[in-house]
Amino acid sequence: DTGVSQDPRHKITKRGQNVTFRCDPISEHNRLYWYRQTLGQGPEFLTYFQNEAQLEKSRLLSDRFSAERPKGSFSTLEIQRTEQGDSAMYLCASSIGGTVTYEQYFGPGTRLTVT
Amino acid sequence: GNSVTQMEGPVTLSEEAFLTINCTYTATGYPSLFWYVQYPGEGLQLLLKATKADDKGSNKGFEATYRKETTSFHLEKGSVQVSDSAVYFCALRTDSGGSNYKLTFGKGTLLTVNP
Repeated sequence: DTGVSQDPRHKITKRGQNVTFRCDPISEHNRLYWYRQTLGQGPEFLTYFQNEAQLEKSRLLSDRFSAERPKGSFSTLEIQRTEQGDSAMYLCASSIGGTVTYEQYFGPGTRLTVT
Repeated sequence: GNSVTQMEGPVTLSEEAFLTINCTYTATGYPSLFWYVQYPGEGLQLLLKATKADDKGSNKGFEATYRKETTSFHLEKGSVQVSDSAVYFCALRTDSGGSNYKLTFGKGTLLTVNP
């Protein structure tokens, strides 16, 4: 299967701990996106990368959040000093990007529970 | 800014019933419109899309027509099956100034189809 993969699928952590999630996009996709989905809501955009460059960050992405995409391949999303409000599903998506816009393909998500 | 409003759920239908899920939007610029589906335990999947006014997207018996005059993109299916039970998300993306990227989603509508 060559779809978008995310690891871990589930993460339970205590308030104040740091967590890191990984996303592996479809191999030829140069764009990678992170979204957050809380219960009963649609996904909300957090940030995106074109190759290794992070080109936009949403206001939802506080200073405790950091995302990287070294070498333009996989990406990591780290949350420092987690809070209960960080509990959500974190979704990764990838697409081909250029002068023509292509569909975003989503991974299965990482469900974070902060206790 | 961009926003999507979709029909509140949950929606419960009997097999072979007609389905409509309403979706309206506001957007800066000329958006592309999408319906995504999320089956239990799975990631978001693109169901159908339309990129310009009066386009009709269709897939797996589902259809939606891009209505610019009413800023709507309602999802319809003539005869639903139990396997269509899922959460459906309406979404838009505006492509302007080379910033072809983030999706804006509605809150989602849970559909349950009973045999």
